[in-house]
Amino acid sequence: DIQMTQSPSSLSASVGDRVTITCQASQDISNSLNWYHQKPGEAPKLLIYDASNLVTGVPSRFSGSGSGTDFTFTLSSLQPEDIATYYCQQYDSLPITFGQGTRLEIQ
Amino acid sequence: QVQLVESGGGVVQPGRSLRLSCAASGFTFSHFGIHWVRQAPGKGLEWVAVISYDGKNKYYTDSVKGRFTISRDNSKNTLSLQMNNLRAEDTAVYFCAKDMWDGTGYPDHWGQGTLVTVSS
Repeated sequence: DIQMTQSPSSLSASVGDRVTITCQASQDISNSLNWYHQKPGEAPKLLIYDASNLVTGVPSRFSGSGSGTDFTFTLSSLQPEDIATYYCQQYDSLPITFGQGTRLEIQ
Repeated sequence: QVQLVESGGGVVQPGRSLRLSCAASGFTFSHFGIHWVRQAPGKGLEWVAVISYDGKNKYYTDSVKGRFTISRDNSKNTLSLQMNNLRAEDTAVYFCAKDMWDGTGYPDHWGQGTLVTVSS
């Protein structure tokens, strides 16, 4: 199975801050990497697919980059509604695997 | 819009069985694969299984192989997960999620989930 190592596990930032989350795959997954967020009590929501493509309707302050084994998720300006847990996910091979999650809080 | 509604969760004793269902609407169900993903209380996401658009291909995570069976009825736009010989570690919210493609992709739309609690 492909292991996804995500960091940090939690993050506290202020409104307007730039936030960065990293995800490392245990083997080359090309660009088969997605980012989701999950607000408390809700289902996960897809934000970024294929490492860097923004889902239609998702604000442009969200972005992703990377390929191979190293990936980065960036929130350019944190807003109060962005409070959630963020997950990376690889779909290069089954089983699909997720990172451990990053809990994002407002400072 | 895409809508997925899970049902069938509840409290069940270890070793017993439970069947989850997922009712889909807002898209052409027979064209897309469907996943089950679970989340233990306070934990992260764990992929469980996927079924192809036509039901011919099914894949499972190792921990549920031989105990869980995923199936679909394209005439009724429904997905099922038959869970046998349940264990305490199967306690989780179970989400069904539409695949981006025919079952070879990734979840792009998710239901709200149904809670399964395995406890004596």
